[in-house]
Amino acid sequence: QVQLKESGPGLVQPSETLSLTCTVSGFSLTSYGVNWVRQPPGKGLEWMGTIWNDGSTDYNSALKSRLSISRDTSKSQVFLKMNSLQTEDTAIYLCARDLAYWGQGTLVTVSS
Amino acid sequence: DVVLTQTPPTLSATIGQSVSISCRSSQSLLHSNGNTYLHWLLQRPGQSPQLLIYLVSRLESGVPNRFSGSGSGTDFTLKISGVEAEDLGVYYCVQGTHAPYTFGAGTKLELK
Repeated sequence: QVQLKESGPGLVQPSETLSLTCTVSGFSLTSYGVNWVRQPPGKGLEWMGTIWNDGSTDYNSALKSRLSISRDTSKSQVFLKMNSLQTEDTAIYLCARDLAYWGQGTLVTVSS
Repeated sequence: DVVLTQTPPTLSATIGQSVSISCRSSQSLLHSNGNTYLHWLLQRPGQSPQLLIYLVSRLESGVPNRFSGSGSGTDFTLKISGVEAEDLGVYYCVQGTHAPYTFGAGTKLELK
């Protein structure tokens, strides 16, 4: 069955770079796109970006200068990198396919 | 960016009551390909979002048929015909017609 699982550091220092991995199973990254969405504690959902099945990407314009999404199709992994982190980037980060399949999310806290 | 305005922000209901949530878009969500990419998600406490309705009115597989969606252009509605306890949580509309994809702020469904 379709599964997605996020992984990465739970704590990041301000001004540093966040690196997250979304490992998928049950489908091919060359057939489906994967989205990154984040949710600050107690707040709503924010779309961050998408890597499409052809490898092209779209980013939220508010994050575009700091954000990069890539993939390794042989490992069924999608990567998120975001630099210059600030405390307001503290959130649960989720990957999703089609909005129908979601990972459990990973909490990232930005703090010194 | 497209702004989705959800009302009401909070909804109190009794079990068995029928309720509706409105999602109004700042611009038409009708895509040039003829589809309208407006979807509805439910996020139960402590869980990842779940897709309920896609493309305005299509029920996601496994979702009870007490959920229904309607609307066109800029005005959309999610209706729950007979609230059950498992329906409690935050409902989000999300649009995928115009990049960046955007979410409504959410409607919290509580028990009265």
